[in-house]
This record gives sequence, C-alpha cells and structure tokens, in this order.
Amino acid sequence: GENVEQHPSTLSVQEGDSAVIKCTYSDSASNYFPWYKQELGKRPQLIIDIRSNVGEKKDQRIAVTLNKTAKHFSLHITETQPEDSAVYFCAATTLEEAGNMLTFGGGTRLMVKP
Amino acid sequence: SQTIHQWPATLVQPVGSPLSLECTVEGTSNPNLYWYRQAAGRGLQLLFYSVGIGQISSEVPQNLSASRPQDRQFILSSKKLLLSDSGFYLCAWRIGYNEQFFGPGTRLTVL
Repeated sequence: GENVEQHPSTLSVQEGDSAVIKCTYSDSASNYFPWYKQELGKRPQLIIDIRSNVGEKKDQRIAVTLNKTAKHFSLHITETQPEDSAVYFCAATTLEEAGNMLTFGGGTRLMVKP
Repeated sequence: SQTIHQWPATLVQPVGSPLSLECTVEGTSNPNLYWYRQAAGRGLQLLFYSVGIGQISSEVPQNLSASRPQDRQFILSSKKLLLSDSGFYLCAWRIGYNEQFFGPGTRLTVL
C-alpha cells in the first residue's frame, strides 16, 4: 500500500518569510495529492490539491509542486502570516481505486511568529 | 451544496460504556464515507470506509465497528469503550474522483 512521509514535523518561521513542507510517497500509481490545514480544535480543511498531470499549482500565497519521477511533492507558503499557524497534512491516493482512500502524512505544525 | 454533520460535538463517557457517533451528509448521493480518529496532537488514522449501503471496510482491528444503514448515514459504534478510544473522531465524504471533505468532528473523552 501507499506510504507518505512528511517533513518537517514542526516548522517555525518569522512573519513574512516563506515556509516549505515536503512529502514523499511510495506508490508510483498515486495521482492525486491534496493538502489540508487544521487549526487547533477544528476539522482539516482542504487548501490546495494537485493531480499528476500537472507539475505545479498556485493559489494566491500557496503553491504545490509535484515531482512524479522522484515521488515527492511540496507545499509552499509565501509571505506567511500569523493566521497561517496550524497543522498541515499532505496526502496521496490513486483516484481510480475503490474507496479512494487518502494516505496521510504525519503532519507539520507550522508556527508563524509575529 | 453539500454539507456534513456529526453529533454529538463533544462526549464524555466512562470506560466500559457503549458508544454511538453519527455522521450524515446532505446534498449528494452515493458518497464514499470515512471514519478517522485523531489522538491529541497526532495524525489522522483511518478507521473505516464505506463505498455504499451496508458495505464497510475496516482498516484497523479494534473494539470499534461501523455501519451504513442509509446512503448518507454513517455510524461509529463500540460496545465497551477503552481509555485509548479517546480522541477526535472525524467523518469524511467524497464523490467519485473529487475532493474529500471532513465533518466538524466529535471530541470523545473516555474517563
């Protein structure tokens, strides 16, 4: 089955700096890679996703890149703000599989210091 | 638009008591449904998933069970709770090859 590794487990940045979170996956058949943001005590919220037919996707201050050859993908947050502080989870799946189960990384706690 | 509900929002139960958590989805039909558990400060552990009424797959052996009596209803149960069952229980849904969305969650404390 799929295995997703996420690094770092904690990340502290100064407000305005960039933050990068990296994930690697094991199953070369995986073709869908979402990122979730979870604020303290709340549900994970989908913030961006990428499918294997593109190498990069951007939405305002966040972007995701995908390297299928190396089997890794990354979340980039530019101009970080205190409200970006949260736990971020990456995930991977093969969309055509029954149940479409996401395999999640272990999470990254991002702290943005004002 | 689609919405997902979970109840109760919080629950405090003694060890050995039964459990029933409910999840319902509105505004869609035949969703894939998932139960996750998140221990304090930890990641997301998939417990069960269902691709249709009465179809349940278990990912982790434990004292929990799940049922899907209706297309948009997913229930998580236990006959006897353990201390280790404490956590944040999240229901999620997905349609076809689209995004997965989580419900608001139930915070369970077993004392």
